[in-house]
Amino acid sequence: TQLLEQSPQFLSIQEGENLTVYCNSSSVFSSLQWYRQEPGEGPVLLVTVVTGGEVKKLKRLTFQFGDARKDSSLHITAAQPGDTGLYLCAGESGTASKLTFGTGTRLQVTL
Amino acid sequence: NAGVMQNPRHLVRRRGQEARLRCSPMKGHSHVYWYRQLPEEGLKFMVYLQKENIIDESGMPKERFSAEFPKEGPSILRIQQVVRGDSAAYFCASSPQGGPGTQYFGPGTRLLVL
Repeated sequence: TQLLEQSPQFLSIQEGENLTVYCNSSSVFSSLQWYRQEPGEGPVLLVTVVTGGEVKKLKRLTFQFGDARKDSSLHITAAQPGDTGLYLCAGESGTASKLTFGTGTRLQVTL
Repeated sequence: NAGVMQNPRHLVRRRGQEARLRCSPMKGHSHVYWYRQLPEEGLKFMVYLQKENIIDESGMPKERFSAEFPKEGPSILRIQQVVRGDSAAYFCASSPQGGPGTQYFGPGTRLLVL
């Protein structure tokens, strides 16, 4: 059974601070996706990373896929209250197609 | 371009009734996935379908649950004789192709079993 562990589980920070969320597994994934989920809504895709070592930037968000494609990180610079939400990583293996979701990181950014 | 649509958004059923959840994939997407999010738990894969075919149902409970994606119309997740433990948020995702790729999620159906 593939598992994706996210850390930290909860994070409460003030506006303007930087933070990093980690997503770790002992399994190799062909791709890894990061989503943000608001209460009462479905996960919204932020990014897909495919190549080991790949780095993608989305405004103040930087995503990295580990060289061995077993782990990933999400770094947010100068967090804003609008960044508040549940962040989920999800890995896909080969042609299996189904996503294995991480345990989630709940971020709260206060003024 | 409309996203993945799910209806109803909220569904209340009494124990023993049937629940039918519908999912219309994004335009041009022929692959549909269903996931379940139990209270205080993460999203878990249930089933992967293409038009008229079930590709992977390894996450589906063995009894009472079934899914279809007909040639015409939305994908349906059907739960017969619901029990309180079926209360959860059910999400549908779609992708334009199978294999490694990006899945886009709908807003979910929140099922409450009384």
